[in-house]
Amino acid sequence: DTGVSQDPRHKITKRGQNVTFRCDPISEHNRLYWYRQTLGQGPEFLTYFQNEAQLEKSRLLSDRFSAERPKGSFSTLEIQRTEQGDSAMYLCASSGGLAGRHEQYFGPGTRLTVT
Amino acid sequence: GEDVEQSLFLSVREGDSSVINCTYTDSSSTYLYWYKQEPGAGLQLLTYIFSNMDMKQDQRLTVLLNKKDKHLSLRIADTQTGDSAIYFCAESRNDYKLSFGAGTTVTVRA
Repeated sequence: DTGVSQDPRHKITKRGQNVTFRCDPISEHNRLYWYRQTLGQGPEFLTYFQNEAQLEKSRLLSDRFSAERPKGSFSTLEIQRTEQGDSAMYLCASSGGLAGRHEQYFGPGTRLTVT
Repeated sequence: GEDVEQSLFLSVREGDSSVINCTYTDSSSTYLYWYKQEPGAGLQLLTYIFSNMDMKQDQRLTVLLNKKDKHLSLRIADTQTGDSAIYFCAESRNDYKLSFGAGTTVTVRA
């Protein structure tokens, strides 16, 4: 069990550019979550998948954000036309398997800086 | 999040016990969690408690839940320098979304 992995760990981009992040969950977990964390705050829920189905999206997830989990394994989060307010740590978590859906295990995060 | 509140800072001497407090507003919360975050890292699940319990112990960690007052606490016995981190309280009222507090920064001094 290698845990949840995220790539890249850091991304610096110019305002207006598109960025895509990847998350690989723990292999037997069928649920995958995306959260956003800004400095000095706790993570805020963005969206989650059960297998390949996206079941819930927060109002924080504007039209510029899209998440996919095409085969029910890894997931991508894309931000189009980035804005400075998108600068944050994007965290992925997964749950399921023997531990049950109530235990969410987080990856190391992708830190996005929009200049 | 606004539904979960924590004090921002705690300083504790090495070897003493730490107690981190949290209050939440939603009485329908079913699970309550404690996560630990070290600088530049993701969140590590420390422990969680189901809302029909009032205490859970796991090695050096003790969680106490007062459902009437909507108060959750985490006690760390024999606090070590490696316990220095930000501790987040979180609640879940459904089975997918965690709502986090702003975190308590714990500093362990020698």
